[in-house]
Amino acid sequence: ETGVTQSPTHLIKTRGQQVTLRCSSQSGHNTVSWYQQALGQGPQFIFQYYREEENGRGNFPPRFSGLQFPNYSSELNVNALELDDSALYLCASSLEPIGETQYFGPGTRLLVL
Amino acid sequence: QKEVEQDPGPLSVPEGAIVSLNCTYSNSAFQYFMWYRQYSRKGPELLMYTYSSGNKEDGRFTAQVDKSSKYISLFIRDSQPSDSATYLCAMSANSNYQLIWGAGTKLIIKP
Repeated sequence: ETGVTQSPTHLIKTRGQQVTLRCSSQSGHNTVSWYQQALGQGPQFIFQYYREEENGRGNFPPRFSGLQFPNYSSELNVNALELDDSALYLCASSLEPIGETQYFGPGTRLLVL
Repeated sequence: QKEVEQDPGPLSVPEGAIVSLNCTYSNSAFQYFMWYRQYSRKGPELLMYTYSSGNKEDGRFTAQVDKSSKYISLFIRDSQPSDSATYLCAMSANSNYQLIWGAGTKLIIKP
């Protein structure tokens, strides 16, 4: 059973650019949630995908968008990057949208200059 | 005021000590309470999950929820240097993963 993987591990972009982050969920998991974790802060929920549909969204602007593919892997896209978007982006997968166990990937660290 | 407050630390204790980590919250609708451990450059790992009030024990870890005081705790007995990490509390009004998180407490266990 493979764990949650994310790519790339690190990324440097400039303000105004666009970025795509990728997540492969744990085998058999159909739900992926994305979080933003600023330095020294707890994660903030961005959105969740369940069976390829968005299943809830946190307080993030529309320039944060996502996709989930038939194999349940997922992408997070951020347009018009701002300096405050610099953070660790975490994805977590779970068997279903509810329950107590979701497994986190190691994250992608994004730096916006 | 944040919905979930957690002292960022760092909290430094000697090996073998009992560690107490705490979070307070303001939303009385929260029913699901979790503690995660996050090592440097890793994603969070679920340690304890509690529904509503009460205690839950798992090995060296005990989670307590006091809904009347809006206060949750994680106790670590016989602390080990490998317990050195950031501990995050998270909670939700629903049994989904749209969690509200504390900022995390950095714990250092000195050998």
